[in-house]
Amino acid sequence: DTAVSQTPKYLVTQMGNDKSIKCEQNLGHDTMYWYKQDSKKFLKIMFSYNNKELIINETVPNRFSPKSPDKAHLNLHINSLELGDSAVYFCASSQGQGASSKQYFGPGTRLTVT
Amino acid sequence: ELKVEQNPLFLSMQEGKNYTIYCNYSTTSDRLYWYRQDPGKSLESLFVLLSNGAVKQEGRLMASLDTKARLSTLHITAAVHDLSATYFCAEWDYKLSFGAGTTVTVRA
Repeated sequence: DTAVSQTPKYLVTQMGNDKSIKCEQNLGHDTMYWYKQDSKKFLKIMFSYNNKELIINETVPNRFSPKSPDKAHLNLHINSLELGDSAVYFCASSQGQGASSKQYFGPGTRLTVT
Repeated sequence: ELKVEQNPLFLSMQEGKNYTIYCNYSTTSDRLYWYRQDPGKSLESLFVLLSNGAVKQEGRLMASLDTKARLSTLHITAAVHDLSATYFCAEWDYKLSFGAGTTVTVRA
């Protein structure tokens, strides 16, 4: 029983293409997140949704568009992919948004843009 | 610009010895997290520290939080090979802000 799942696990694509990454959690959580981890392992939050509402939108290019069809899903669509988008993208979820709300991370999607 | 600074960034441990990873953060937050990441894997939550003076222990790992010094430490007792991983601390300031990670290698 995977708590937070992501598809695909690996994604190789060319510059200029549009791609999506899907995330699903079966923990019954109300808050979901997208993080980006670059090649130096720096991990940074991109977006956060609570009950399908966007609550955190960090300084991310507007080529990145998250969509939350329901509380259990948070997808990430990326337009016009660039070389610098190559990274590992992690989805996470938590119950609540507060400091004590432990976040559970998915397995990650390794995106390579050529 | 990282608000959370970890040191050392790389740590080569000898089995059986004790070591400490330091995490300095910049905000007045009193919420600090520790995560472990194995190569090519996801992040696993180790500890959540929610108040000044908080100390949590799990096996050979012990984490503590000093909010006045804005410092958290992760102490490793009698290192074993299984502890080889990258350890991240993260402060809470309406969102998680991660440090750069400490890559730990345990050698015999």
